[in-house]
Amino acid sequence: KAGVTQTPRYLIKTRGQQVTLSCSPISGHRSVSWYQQTPGQGLQFLFEYFSETQRNKGNFPGRFSGRQFSNSRSEMNVSTLELGDSALYLCASSLAGGFDEQYFGPGTRLTVT
Amino acid sequence: AQKVTQAQTEISVVEKEDVTLDCVYETRDTTYYLFWYKQPPSGELVFLIRRNSFDEQNEISGRYSWNFQKSTSSFNFTITASQVVDSAVYFCALSEASSGYALNFGKGTSLLVTP
Repeated sequence: KAGVTQTPRYLIKTRGQQVTLSCSPISGHRSVSWYQQTPGQGLQFLFEYFSETQRNKGNFPGRFSGRQFSNSRSEMNVSTLELGDSALYLCASSLAGGFDEQYFGPGTRLTVT
Repeated sequence: AQKVTQAQTEISVVEKEDVTLDCVYETRDTTYYLFWYKQPPSGELVFLIRRNSFDEQNEISGRYSWNFQKSTSSFNFTITASQVVDSAVYFCALSEASSGYALNFGKGTSLLVTP
C-alpha cells in the first residue's frame, strides 16, 4: 500500500506571496492532519480534516487554511507569507482520526525569503 | 504549558550500548494515548508505537521496548544494543480527547549512535 505523499517536496517563496501544499493520504484513510515543524517551536498541529470537514484546528492565524476533497486528498494554503512561516509542513493520515495511528508523509520544506 | 517533556535534547552512544529516551506527559483526561515517532535525517516521521492509558503493560518489539508508568506519568523508550541506523530524532506525543485528539509532541531527543 502506498504511503502518504506530499507535493511539492521543496518550495521557495517570497514574503507576501501565497502557497498551496498538497497531501494524498494512504488509500482508505479518511482523516488528514497537518503539522508545522520549526526548530524553535517544534511540531505543532495545524488542523485536521475528515470527510471534507475541518474537525479540529490548532492555534494558528487565519492565514493558514485547508480543505479536503471527496477522495480524501487535502490541501493547505498559507496566504501573505511571512519569514516565520519557513518550516517543514507534514501531513498525516489515519483511518478515522481520533486515537488512530497517524502515518506521516515526507513533508514539504517551505522557505520564505 | 508543555504537555510532553523530553528532557534529553541530545544523546550520544557507541554502537551496541543500550539507551533510554525519557518522556514525561501531563494530562487531566482519563483516556489518552501516547505515541513514539522516529524522524531520520530524511525528515519523514515514522510511527513506532501507540499505547492507551489503560494498558500499562510494557511492550517489546525486537530491540525496542517501552515502559509506561501512569504513577509517574512517564512513557520511556529503550533501544537495546543500539545500531548506527538508530540515529535519528525521536518524538514522544500525547493524544487527548480534550484536545480533539491532535498529537501534542515533545521537543524530541536527538540520538547519535557512533560505530
